[in-house]
Amino acid sequence: KQEVTQIPAALSVPEGENLVLNCSFTDSAIYNLQWFRQDPGKGLTSLLLIQSSQREQTSGRLNASLDKSSGRSTLYIAASQPGDSATYLCAVRPAETSGSRLTFGEGTQLTVNP
Amino acid sequence: NAGVTQTPKFRILKIGQSMTLQCTQDMNHNYMYWYRQDPGMGLKLIYYSVGAGITDKGEVPNGYNVSRSTTEDFPLRLELAAPSQTSVYFCASRLAWELGSPLHFGNGTRLTVT
Repeated sequence: KQEVTQIPAALSVPEGENLVLNCSFTDSAIYNLQWFRQDPGKGLTSLLLIQSSQREQTSGRLNASLDKSSGRSTLYIAASQPGDSATYLCAVRPAETSGSRLTFGEGTQLTVNP
Repeated sequence: NAGVTQTPKFRILKIGQSMTLQCTQDMNHNYMYWYRQDPGMGLKLIYYSVGAGITDKGEVPNGYNVSRSTTEDFPLRLELAAPSQTSVYFCASRLAWELGSPLHFGNGTRLTVT
């Protein structure tokens, strides 16, 4: 059974700092990995999706990397801003599931202090 | 574009009552999902559907039912509400033909059973 773990559970940084969020998964047989952002009281917004054949994806100040063999992904946020404060979740789509079912981590709650 | 729309946003139920959580999407997505999110936890899959007329159980289906009579709508039914069903419920959808397509979420329904 695929398990997804995110460390740390919470992170507080000063504005302007570069930071890394971690995601690990137990089964390396995946189709893709997706990073989401969740604001309080809101749904999840997709940030980046990395296919299993890719090593990284970039969008603006965000860069996500994938090391499938070691079961790890990182989300790098450059020059953090207070508006980046949210919970970040990663989710993997295992290769063997039907219906494209995702397995989610528990999230990292990020606070960027002005 | 409305995307994925969930109603209601909030609901309080008494034990034993029933209700239907509504979900509709206007993106012509084949795949639709219901997740629940408990405090400090990741998302758990309740039910999913790969197209109209087809539904299947996820990780935590007990106490819930779904139907998918149209591509757009995927309602979730709670027949006999229990306190353990207090949670935030998210509906999501994605395209079927594009393996790497991201998941789109609604803003959630916050349900309290007392």
